[in-house]
Amino acid sequence: AQSVAQPEDQVNVAEGNPLTVKCTYSVSGNPYLFWYVQYPNRGLQFLLKYITGDNLVKGSYGFEAEFNKSQTSFHLKKPSALVSDSALYFCAVRDRGSTLGRLYFGRGTQLTVWP
Amino acid sequence: DADVTQTPRNRITKTGKRIMLECSQTKGHDRMYWYRQDPGLGLRLIYYSFDVKDINKGEISDGYSVSRQAQAKFSLSLESAIPNQTALYFCATSEAGGPYQETQYFGPGTRLLVL
Repeated sequence: AQSVAQPEDQVNVAEGNPLTVKCTYSVSGNPYLFWYVQYPNRGLQFLLKYITGDNLVKGSYGFEAEFNKSQTSFHLKKPSALVSDSALYFCAVRDRGSTLGRLYFGRGTQLTVWP
Repeated sequence: DADVTQTPRNRITKTGKRIMLECSQTKGHDRMYWYRQDPGLGLRLIYYSFDVKDINKGEISDGYSVSRQAQAKFSLSLESAIPNQTALYFCATSEAGGPYQETQYFGPGTRLLVL
């Protein structure tokens, strides 16, 4: 069965400091992995995805994520946080071998960046 | 994403009423999805459709039904609303075929309150 775990409900970081939002996954085959962000009163926006190739994926707004197959992780990172990065972040996974194409989402991590 | 619209944006209804949430997209995507979001639970898939003739149940389809009227339109109905269906509902779309088309694009959401 496919599943995604985001072990931290909340992450708090000072502006200018690096941030990490953690994600681990479980799939029966090889994964496609995604990060989405949700700002207040808005829908989810795509940030980045890992399909194949380089384990370090770069996305929108200076975010990046590193795929680690041995640890089944796909942590979201940013070298220098901004107050405007404060939002709810979702990790999602899809089994590469599945023809169904549906995503499984984690429960979300609320990121707060304080000035 | 302005290419995916949802109506209404907010709705208050009473227990036992039938209501319909509508989703329209101008992205030309074949695949459409309905999710609900509850605090601390992330997004859960209600129904999904890979084309006009294809409708599939998600993980929490009980109490819901859908209609895919056209490639661009996918409606979600609550036949007899109950208070635990109070949630934020999202429509999403994606292209078919190949891993690079797997990104899902979300509408702004419909906030539903069942009294």
